[in-house]
Amino acid sequence: SQQGEEDPQALSIQEGENATMNCSYKTSINNLQWYRQNSGRGLVHLILIRSNEREKHSGRLRVTLDTSKKSSSLLITASRAADTASYFCATDGPYGNNRLAFGKGNQVVVIP
Amino acid sequence: EADIYQTPRYLVIGTGKKITLECSQTMGHDKMYWYQQDPGMELHLIHYSYGVNSTEKGDLSSESTVSRIRTEHFPLTLESARPSHTSQYLCASSDLGQGRSYNEQFFGPGTRLTVL
Repeated sequence: SQQGEEDPQALSIQEGENATMNCSYKTSINNLQWYRQNSGRGLVHLILIRSNEREKHSGRLRVTLDTSKKSSSLLITASRAADTASYFCATDGPYGNNRLAFGKGNQVVVIP
Repeated sequence: EADIYQTPRYLVIGTGKKITLECSQTMGHDKMYWYQQDPGMELHLIHYSYGVNSTEKGDLSSESTVSRIRTEHFPLTLESARPSHTSQYLCASSDLGQGRSYNEQFFGPGTRLTVL
């Protein structure tokens, strides 16, 4: 079963606005990752947050993790048209050992 | 850009044909994966390998088979393609214990398969 599950949203925002998407999972994890997928392409790793971390930043990305609620959020600040993509979270629980369970993905459209 | 390649990028074939989707990586990763993804949907793991001569089935049952004779190469074969196999197939690889991203997976561009 899928361990990462985003709220199945399709976000449409104006360039410059912030985009927030959420992910929930079912079992304990060692880490949670976010990936981006441009239309018709493979996935690109964005950021990894470990289970003992609560927040992490990378450029315009901010990820939070609440292990008590088994949820994570990804915030993209000052969005750009190039941020238009689908965003997936992935967890390593319950598999560990480099197997990941991906969620359904959030489609984000940034309007120039 | 990750050094992982998939060919062909697009394939349209008739029912009953045998096909092989190629995946190669030049990063020396031991672990490789095949995912199936319908448009706009989640990824389903169908096969994975932890090294040469190691292959395992994933979470989604698939009629395809894989082999891992060389570290860098992880082809996927369908002996007799059917319309239900129409999907996008993504190959990925990962390393263990190196770098700050412990189990980041690197993805190829995908093969979009259409079976008529």
